[in-house]
Amino acid sequence: DAKTTQPPSMDCAEGRAANLPCNHSTISGNEYVYWYRQIHSQGPQYIIHGLKNNETNEMASLIITEDRKSSTLILPHATLRDTAVYYCIVRPSLYNQGGKLIFGQGTELSVKP
Amino acid sequence: EPEVTQTPSHQVTQMGQEVILRCVPISNHLYFYWYRQILGQKVEFLVSFYNNEISEKSEIFDDQFSVERPDGSNFTLKIRSTKLEDSAMYFCASRENTIYFGEGSWLTVV
Repeated sequence: DAKTTQPPSMDCAEGRAANLPCNHSTISGNEYVYWYRQIHSQGPQYIIHGLKNNETNEMASLIITEDRKSSTLILPHATLRDTAVYYCIVRPSLYNQGGKLIFGQGTELSVKP
Repeated sequence: EPEVTQTPSHQVTQMGQEVILRCVPISNHLYFYWYRQILGQKVEFLVSFYNNEISEKSEIFDDQFSVERPDGSNFTLKIRSTKLEDSAMYFCASRENTIYFGEGSWLTVV
């Protein structure tokens, strides 16, 4: 079962920052937070992941609270092409493990002109 | 950028027929996965594969399903006798550290 809670939907104005929250209050010390998105039934696309520290890449920033019970994915300047379902997934590091990702329902982000 | 490629992009088959979905994972990846997504539902894990054998499978992955890496590059999902409820998008994925997904194969069983 998914270990995360996300709002089912959010709207964001084009050009503004999109802040997508995720609650993972039962996260364990060795579990990472992964974010993927799915644009209109395409394959899920990796965005970013983190353990404790905030992370940033060319797509997004990930802010993890100090107690690690929640996180926020930030798309700094949302465009219409960012309209998608965003999934927050918690699991142990995949390095050298044959692990899998369990997808929940995600947040459907609509970026509006 | 390396990517996972899947064929066919869309297949229509009659109920009871065998279907093989093909995937070419990213070349240096060692772990492979199949997922499926029934229209309007969430992405569901089917099976993971490592070192030429299944490492984990879900309840969905019953005896009608099988996976194979026939030639060291392709990774296939076979459905032996398709049912109407097998109609879905099937995603292949592979990983070194991060899991990357293909664009999927739409299977329609009629």
